[in-house]
This record gives sequence, C-alpha cells and structure tokens, in this order.
Amino acid sequence: GAGVSQSPSNKVTEKGKDVELRCDPISGHTALYWYRQRLGQGLEFLIYFQGNSAPDKSGLPSDRFSAERTGESVSTLTIQRTQQEDSAVYLCASSIGQGRETQYFGPGTRLLVL
Amino acid sequence: AQSVSQHNHHVILSEAASLELGCNYSYGGTVNLFWYVQYPGQHLQLLLKYFSGDPLVKGIKGFEAEFIKSKFSFNLRKPSVQWSDTAEYFCAVNMGNAGNMLTFGGGTRLMVKP
Repeated sequence: GAGVSQSPSNKVTEKGKDVELRCDPISGHTALYWYRQRLGQGLEFLIYFQGNSAPDKSGLPSDRFSAERTGESVSTLTIQRTQQEDSAVYLCASSIGQGRETQYFGPGTRLLVL
Repeated sequence: AQSVSQHNHHVILSEAASLELGCNYSYGGTVNLFWYVQYPGQHLQLLLKYFSGDPLVKGIKGFEAEFIKSKFSFNLRKPSVQWSDTAEYFCAVNMGNAGNMLTFGGGTRLMVKP
C-alpha cells in the first residue's frame, strides 16, 4: 500500500524567501509528525498532530515555523523568511495512534537555503 | 533536557563479524524504545521496538535489542553482519512525560566490508 509521501523531494531557495513543504500521511493514520535532520545529526522533533486535538508545537525552533493539517490528511510545514541554518532534511511521519505506535516515515524534503 | 546518546558514530566491520550498537537515554520514567534503520537511498524504517515484557526483543533481518532499565540502555545486536546491513541506525525513545514524539540519537553509520 501507499506509504507516507512528501513533496517536493528537493527545494533550493534564497535566504529570506518563504517555503512550503507538504506531507501526505498513510490513509487512516490519525497522528502526524514533522521532524528535521540537519547534516550529520539525529532527527529533531518539530510538531505533532493527533486527530482534532490542538497540535503539540513544542519543537518548533522559532515563530518563523508553522504547520497546518487538514483533518486527518495532508499537512503543510511553512518556513517564513528562511535562514541558512534552516537547511536540513524535513521528515514527516504518521502513525495509527500515539506514543508506542510505530511511526512510518516519508522520504523527506531536502531544503537548501542559499 | 531528556536526551538519547549513541556513542558510536561510525562503525566498520567485516562480514560475519558481530555487531553491537550502544544507545542510552536520560529519563527515569516509562519509555517506549525503537531502533530505526536507513539504508542508502531509502526511507527510515523500523527494525524493532520495545514497550513492555521480555526485555530482549527480536526484529527484522536477525537484529535484536536488549532493554536494561538499570543502565538506561537499549543496545542493538546482530551476531553476524552482512554487506547488506550497511546503513545508518537510529535509536529513538518515546519518553512518557514528553508527549508522543520520538527523541532520536545522533545515529550510527555502519559500513560492512564484503
């Protein structure tokens, strides 16, 4: 069956521009997560959506970062006024439920800010 | 801050050698533990996970991991590696008081020489 998909796969932008990254979770998965992986480092949690509950935004590094999710489907991560330190792979994951449920990851979007 | 440590950043082994990758976390409460693997050019995928019960868990491709609560560790092992095990391995922990996100270690790059 279809896994988690993300688009675009690569994005090059200039410093100061806004970018939007998209995630399509596995159908039926109520939980959706965004993570960031900087070069040579592990994944950092950014934001988490569960059903219709308020999202957990505790990992967002600044107010330039925001995310939305439409019901239990597509999510968009927006980075405003990009900075060079935003360059990273942005990974989306989805799961059936919470906590102990396996998170299934997408291929990521590689963002390069020049 | 709660954290996950993987002490080996790069490991090089010959085929048929035994593997042990260390993972330690800093949280005294209930945890759910995961090992993920990323093969070259592929998505992150789950190797194995531990929630409760027998602290020795078996995963795919002959991997196993042991949860030692007193040592806050969840080391990954494989008795005999193959060239196809060349990948990056990530330990991840869901810490009960930190919501539903995973906290990842920095990853270990394993290269298996044929």
